[in-house]
Amino acid sequence: GAVVSQHPSRVICKSGTSVKIECRSLDFQATTMFWYRQFPKQSLMLMATSNEGSKATYEQGVEKDKFLINHASLTLSTLTVTSAHPEDSSFYICSASLGGSNQPQHFGDGTRLSIL
Amino acid sequence: AQSVTQLGSHVSVSEGALVLLRCNYSSSVPPYLFWYVQYPNQGLQLLLKYTSAATLVKGINGFEAEFKKSETSFHLTKPSAHMSDAAEYFCAVTVKAAGNKLTFGGGTRVLVKP
Repeated sequence: GAVVSQHPSRVICKSGTSVKIECRSLDFQATTMFWYRQFPKQSLMLMATSNEGSKATYEQGVEKDKFLINHASLTLSTLTVTSAHPEDSSFYICSASLGGSNQPQHFGDGTRLSIL
Repeated sequence: AQSVTQLGSHVSVSEGALVLLRCNYSSSVPPYLFWYVQYPNQGLQLLLKYTSAATLVKGINGFEAEFKKSETSFHLTKPSAHMSDAAEYFCAVTVKAAGNKLTFGGGTRVLVKP
């Protein structure tokens, strides 16, 4: 149980392109979804917290106009990297939770984004 | 605010030897603690969690961790390392007021030698 599906797993695109990443909880309803960015050999950096039907809460330093998050349902959240540039290249990971601090986050397999 | 420190960014163990990964946390209120494992180019998989029940927590793949409030620690152990244990391990903490938001440690990369 508690499976989170993230697509695509890898994206290579030209600079200036917008890229959408989907995160789905397959067998549970996720009250909250999270989006992380991970640089090589580093820990996860939280970008934003997303609750169904409300605006995402972005961490300090994360540009909300660059990283658009939509959480349209209890099973789907999307991250759109708008007008992506090479510095946006990274590994992006989503997670989903049933809610409640004692509940673990369940992670997707990540998306490797490469901007040429 | 909460924080997590993982001592040792790299750990090398021989196959069959004890695996010990150290995690110390800081929190002014009772914490919830988690260990996750990450294989290359994948997301994180939950190994185990402490949520104020038993202090010795058993997880998947033969791992266990013990919550020690007096030492503010939550070290992860496995009696006998397997080659498949080679991965990155993350300790994370949250508290009730944090709304399920995790604070991660820097991670420890485990290398298993044959």
